[in-house]
Amino acid sequence: AQSVTQLDSQVPVFEEAPVELRCNYSSSVSVYLFWYVQYPNQGLQLLLKYLSGSTLVKGINGFEAEFNKSQTSFHLRKPSVHISDTAEYFCAVTMTTDSWGKLQFGAGTQVVVTP
Amino acid sequence: ETGVTQSPTHLIKTRGQQVTLRCSSQSGHNTVSWYQQALGQGPQFIFQYYREEENGRGNFPPRFSGLQFPNYSSELNVNALELDDSALYLCASSLGAFSYNEQFFGPGTRLTVL
Repeated sequence: AQSVTQLDSQVPVFEEAPVELRCNYSSSVSVYLFWYVQYPNQGLQLLLKYLSGSTLVKGINGFEAEFNKSQTSFHLRKPSVHISDTAEYFCAVTMTTDSWGKLQFGAGTQVVVTP
Repeated sequence: ETGVTQSPTHLIKTRGQQVTLRCSSQSGHNTVSWYQQALGQGPQFIFQYYREEENGRGNFPPRFSGLQFPNYSSELNVNALELDDSALYLCASSLGAFSYNEQFFGPGTRLTVL
């Protein structure tokens, strides 16, 4: 079994400031890791994913994340946010041993960008 | 290319009733997964269908059931509705059932049970 913990339920940030959203996971086997964004009244959109290889992953809209196996973390960062980045962000994992795609999500982090 | 669509957008039912939610996958996607997202929480996996067969299930009772059709559409059926079933229901389609396959989400159906 695996679990995902998003350490911050809400992150207020000023426009053009950097932001980091923290995600920790636990699993008895190796995992794939994902970050999704959910804008109000919309479904989830994939920002980026880590499957293998380089631990620094770049995604859409200027986001990036770093996989740290020893700390079982997958933190999401953006160097300069825009008002349009206001949304809910979800970290998710699946087990590499699964033959089916059950995404296990964290509880989400609400990012509020103000001018 | 058309994305994932869901219908209806909103739905209000009373306790004990039955409901059917519909999803249209992206063309060519042979896998669909359903998730329940309660207010203020992350989505919870209900089940996945691959080539019209249930391929995996989360911790949901049998009154949650599904169907997947050859035309890339699918249904989620919930019997004997309970108040706790009030949530946003998301479907996600993918080209393949493996855990590394990217899942494309629809906008969801908001179900309210009174």
